[in-house]
Amino acid sequence: AQRVTQPEKLLSVFKGAPVELKCNYSYSGSPELFWYVQYSRQRLQLLLRHISRESIKGFTADLNKGETSFHLKKPFAQEEDSAMYYCALSLDRMKGAQKLVFGQGTRLTINP
Amino acid sequence: NAGVTQTPKFRILKIGQSMTLQCTQDMNHNYMYWYRQDPGMGLKLIYYSVGAGITDKGEVPNGYNVSRSTTEDFPLRLELAAPSQTSVYFCASLPPGGLGEQYFGPGTRLTVT
Repeated sequence: AQRVTQPEKLLSVFKGAPVELKCNYSYSGSPELFWYVQYSRQRLQLLLRHISRESIKGFTADLNKGETSFHLKKPFAQEEDSAMYYCALSLDRMKGAQKLVFGQGTRLTINP
Repeated sequence: NAGVTQTPKFRILKIGQSMTLQCTQDMNHNYMYWYRQDPGMGLKLIYYSVGAGITDKGEVPNGYNVSRSTTEDFPLRLELAAPSQTSVYFCASLPPGGLGEQYFGPGTRLTVT
């Protein structure tokens, strides 16, 4: 069955420290993975997707098919990074529907 | 552009009542989605639509119905509300092509007592 696992519900780090939010997936097809973020009082929005291979707000994520992981990393955390982060897997991409399966989310808190 | 709008923001229903959650987008997106999010959990797909007149079930469709008569609107109907439907409901849309970012609405918090 398709599944996305984020093992940490809560993660707290100090400003300037490195951050890694873990995401593992289970999917027999070719995965398309995303990180979505929800800042306080804002809507859920896309942070990055593995196909783009880009860095957004200093965050990067690399798809590791061998370990079935898509961990989100940032070398130096900033206070404005405090938010709820969701890893998501797209099903049936070839059919064009982009049905997303979400992990349960990790609440990241950056301490000053 | 207002993006994706949802009404109402909050609602309390009694068991057995019915209601419709409204979702509208003004971005001419052909893909639209309904998710629910239970406390401490990730979002789960209820129904989706690839265009006007076309809808399909997601992971948790039981107890819900949808329709898509226009590109802009994708209402979610709850018939015979049950406490298990207490959740936050999110609507989202996706541009033509089926790739890229899903744009989410602000959510509707529903409590069934």
